[in-house]
Amino acid sequence: DAGVIQSPRHEVTEMGQEVTLRCKPISGHDYLFWYRQTMMRGLELLIYFNNNVPIDDSGMPEDRFSAKMPNASFSTLKIQPSEPRDSAVYFCASSGGWNNSPLHFGNGTRLTVT
Amino acid sequence: AQSVTQLDSQVPVFEEAPVELRCNYSSSVSVYLFWYVQYPNQGLQLLLKYLSGSTLVKGINGFEAEFNKSQTSFHLRKPSVHISDTAEYFCAVSAFYNQGGKLIFGQGTELSVKP
Repeated sequence: DAGVIQSPRHEVTEMGQEVTLRCKPISGHDYLFWYRQTMMRGLELLIYFNNNVPIDDSGMPEDRFSAKMPNASFSTLKIQPSEPRDSAVYFCASSGGWNNSPLHFGNGTRLTVT
Repeated sequence: AQSVTQLDSQVPVFEEAPVELRCNYSSSVSVYLFWYVQYPNQGLQLLLKYLSGSTLVKGINGFEAEFNKSQTSFHLRKPSVHISDTAEYFCAVSAFYNQGGKLIFGQGTELSVKP
């Protein structure tokens, strides 16, 4: 099992550019989560999906952020346009769908917006 | 809604000493509780979890935690730490009715083990 795979590991972009982060969950997991980690705010849940359907996007900071899950093996988080305050580490996690099923995290994408 | 407070942002300790990382939670419903560890430049890994039953939970790498419902706490302990335990530790809570394991995390505690 390769675990949750995120790409890219690092992304540096200029303010105003579009950024797309990618995630491949563990095969068979039907829940997928996007978290953002910053020094100031810690780990924040942005959005999560069940069977490719967004369930709760209340953590998405604003309309510049969007997330999709076109199939069970792929999800994207897009920021358009990006701003310096979006700089953070973005984590994708997946789980098997029960309350006692732990989240499995990817290694994250470190985003720097200059 | 649920919330988690980790009472110490940094805990320095010498190798082979015992350590306790403190976690308190708030919730109006029953919860499940978790501790995750994050090593530098990596994602989070599950250390242990409390779902029900015995209030003392044992996890990986010699860590254990005790659920105290009256004090709404879930403190993490290890009797003797190693240099390799240096990492950031996160306490997390999930409401029992949440499918899929949606977690609310605390702010994290940075454990620094010195030789």
